[in-house]
Amino acid sequence: EAGVTQSPTHLIKTRGQQATLRCSPISGHTSVYWYQQALGLGLQFLLWYDEGEERNRGNFPPRFSGRQFPNYSSELNVNALELEDSALYLCASSLYGSTEAFFGQGTRLTVV
Amino acid sequence: GQNIDQPTEMTATEGAIVQINCTYQTSGFNGLFWYQQHAGEAPTFLSYNVLDGLEEKGRFSSFLSRSKGYSYLLLKELQMKDSASYLCAVRDSSGYNKLIFGAGTRLAVHP
Repeated sequence: EAGVTQSPTHLIKTRGQQATLRCSPISGHTSVYWYQQALGLGLQFLLWYDEGEERNRGNFPPRFSGRQFPNYSSELNVNALELEDSALYLCASSLYGSTEAFFGQGTRLTVV
Repeated sequence: GQNIDQPTEMTATEGAIVQINCTYQTSGFNGLFWYQQHAGEAPTFLSYNVLDGLEEKGRFSSFLSRSKGYSYLLLKELQMKDSASYLCAVRDSSGYNKLIFGAGTRLAVHP
């Protein structure tokens, strides 16, 4: 069974550009979580989608947005990139309200 | 509010036992998780506690006290490969069961 897959693995953008990160959850999982992990720091909750709807968002500015598609895959968009947006972006999926979330390998975004 | 606290760093010797503590304050509680994350890799699930007490899984055990907002992860017979960050996470039932992570504890195992 395929795990959570994220693409691209690495992404380099310049300040002011937009970045789009993608996540495919485990088959059957309807919930997708996005986290930001800056170098040496913990996971900061970004967004949570379930059944195509945004259920909750963390304390991030509106330029961080996303969506979930009918097949439960998800996109994270970051507009007007800033240098401090450089981080590992992790996606996790789970069954709604389930006990465990499974993580993808992440997308390392570098803003120069 | 939501707050999860863990020590930033710990060191231990190969073969020893180490206990990593986690305290939490969340509006709601629907389970506590421990994840292991090696540098540059995705977190992997270690354990889950929703009721008070000790859950044992091989060399790893996790304890929960809901009344104290406290958990610990116990690692026995430490191996070099256990050098990693250990993340405590709480599912907050007041936030549609959102999973909130602590900053993680970086464990270094020395020979």
